[in-house]
Amino acid sequence: EAGVTQSPTHLIKTRGQQATLRCSPISGHTSVYWYQQALGLGLQFLLWYDEGEERNRGNFPPRFSGRQFPNYSSELNVNALELEDSALYLCASSGGLWYTDTQYFGPGTRLTVL
Amino acid sequence: GENVEQHPSTLSVQEGDSAVIKCTYSDSASNYFPWYKQELGKRPQLIIDIRSNVGEKKDQRIAVTLNKTAKHFSLHITETQPEDSAVYFCAASGAGGGADGLTFGKGTHLIIQP
Repeated sequence: EAGVTQSPTHLIKTRGQQATLRCSPISGHTSVYWYQQALGLGLQFLLWYDEGEERNRGNFPPRFSGRQFPNYSSELNVNALELEDSALYLCASSGGLWYTDTQYFGPGTRLTVL
Repeated sequence: GENVEQHPSTLSVQEGDSAVIKCTYSDSASNYFPWYKQELGKRPQLIIDIRSNVGEKKDQRIAVTLNKTAKHFSLHITETQPEDSAVYFCAASGAGGGADGLTFGKGTHLIIQP
């Protein structure tokens, strides 16, 4: 069974630009979570999508947005990039709405903002 | 929202000794507590999880204990080996059916000394 995949592996942007990150969940999983892992800050919850809907977001500004497609893959968009957006962005998937389902992580996209 | 504190931030033990990592959480409604291991440059991997209806769970050399009254849970690794060297994250799910994603501790860097 294929795991969670993310693309691209690395992304380099300059301040003010937009970044688009992609995630494909494990087959059969309907929930996709996005986390930001900045140096020294651990993993911070960004967004949760399930069945094509944004279910909730963490304490991040509106320039962090995304969507989930009919095949349950997901896209994270970061607009008006700032230097502090440099981080590893991790996607996780789980099956269904019940929050105790195990979350499986992808390898991440390393975003560098210059 | 949920807040998870993790200690220590760095733990160095001799190979063959035991290691204990402790976490506390703030939301008494949380009832799912996973532990992830993240090796350098790799994705977080679930190593064990516990749900609130049990007080202890074991899987070979790894065990997790949960004290819901005190709102703390711990990871125990016995007979440590060099491959146990990694960063370990505890997490808790907040109330609300998954809407908050997972709240993570800031991580413990476990170093196994030969």
